[in-house]
Amino acid sequence: NFMLTQPRSVSASPGKTVTISCTRSSGSIANNYVHWYQQRPGSAPTAVIYEGNQRASGVPARFSGSIDSSSNSASLIISGLKTEDEADYYCQSFENRNRVFGGGTKLTVL
Amino acid sequence: EVQLVESGGGLVQPGGSLRLSCAASGFSFSSYELSWVRQAPGKGLEWISYISRGGSIESYADSVQGRFTISRDNAKNSMHLQMNSLRADDTAVYYCVRDRGTGWLDYWGQGTLVTVSS
Repeated sequence: NFMLTQPRSVSASPGKTVTISCTRSSGSIANNYVHWYQQRPGSAPTAVIYEGNQRASGVPARFSGSIDSSSNSASLIISGLKTEDEADYYCQSFENRNRVFGGGTKLTVL
Repeated sequence: EVQLVESGGGLVQPGGSLRLSCAASGFSFSSYELSWVRQAPGKGLEWISYISRGGSIESYADSVQGRFTISRDNAKNSMHLQMNSLRADDTAVYYCVRDRGTGWLDYWGQGTLVTVSS
């Protein structure tokens, strides 16, 4: 199985744009969809981006997803940062029936 | 409204067994794949098991293969996770998750805590 690597933490100021990367260790990132989840402290995760660049229901347009085959990575981009965006974010993909999560990135909105 | 409610968590001794259940409502249960995902205290998410719509296909993470068994009862809109030979590193919150064909985990339960300790 492959691994997905995310930065442990990122930070940015309100109103700014932040990008969280997710790099696949083997096999092409484009082979299987990448999904993104947000988890606030004490709560279950919720989907924010699915199938690479589709926003889940109720997710604002400030959230977007992309794929970069040259770096074999996916990215979650959050623009116009708000303090409410502060949370842990996880990327996830799959191969056959196995699902794989990245280690998670803690987003701090300063 | 889609709802997934886990139950069955608790304190168990190392080597013991526990059976988690997930009660689903608000959607056509038999039309969806399902997964279990766990999260150890202060750690990240770990997918541990998957089951197909009809229950004929199962998949497990290496960390639980041979110890855990996933099952579902489409007549009762429920899913189960039988956990045997439990170890301290199985301590986690266990989430029941609705699983789409593209691997997208679109709805999550609130989780049930399993603590393995003597």
